[in-house]
Amino acid sequence: GENVEQHPSTLSVQEGDSAVIKCTYSDSASNYFPWYKQELGKGPQLIIDIRSNVGEKKDQRIAVTLNKTAKHFSLHITETQPEDSAVYFCASPANQAGTALIFGKGTTLSVSS
Amino acid sequence: KAGVTQTPRYLIKTRGQQVTLSCSPISGHRSVSWYQQTPGQGLQFLFEYFSETQRNKGNFPGRFSGRQFSNSRSEMNVSTLELGDSALYLCASSRTGRPSGANVLTFGAGSRLTVL
Repeated sequence: GENVEQHPSTLSVQEGDSAVIKCTYSDSASNYFPWYKQELGKGPQLIIDIRSNVGEKKDQRIAVTLNKTAKHFSLHITETQPEDSAVYFCASPANQAGTALIFGKGTTLSVSS
Repeated sequence: KAGVTQTPRYLIKTRGQQVTLSCSPISGHRSVSWYQQTPGQGLQFLFEYFSETQRNKGNFPGRFSGRQFSNSRSEMNVSTLELGDSALYLCASSRTGRPSGANVLTFGAGSRLTVL
């Protein structure tokens, strides 16, 4: 089955710096790669996703890149702000039978001002 | 537009008891899935329901079960609770539930279960 590895587990940056989180997946048939942000006391919230027919997608300060050959995808956050502090999860479909996702273990991002 | 609503938000049970958690999806969403979140194992898929049928199941023992009603609301049940069942249980709904992998999941805030 699908396996998703996420690195690093913790990331500390200064406000205004960039942050990069990387994930690798095992199933070459995977075609959808979402990123979720979870703040304390809340459920994960989708912040950006990418489909396998696209190499990069941007939404203001966040971007995701996908390398299907190497089976990895990355989240890039530029000009980080304290409100970006949260746990970030990458994910990939568990199979093609439904909506189930396999999540990475998460990255705790701390942005200090 | 109301989000995914989960009840109760917090509950405490003792070993051997059972618990039922409820999830109301976003209006119009037909797919509901459940996840268990723990510090050690992270987010793990439990099961998914679509049109009242279980479509997908994760690697959890039979003590974990669920169902979906005709209005898409879902419940999950855990019987004979163990200490290791302490976790945040998250429900997510999807509008299309299309089995192609490209589905946007909207999560609720979760039900935090503590087993003593």
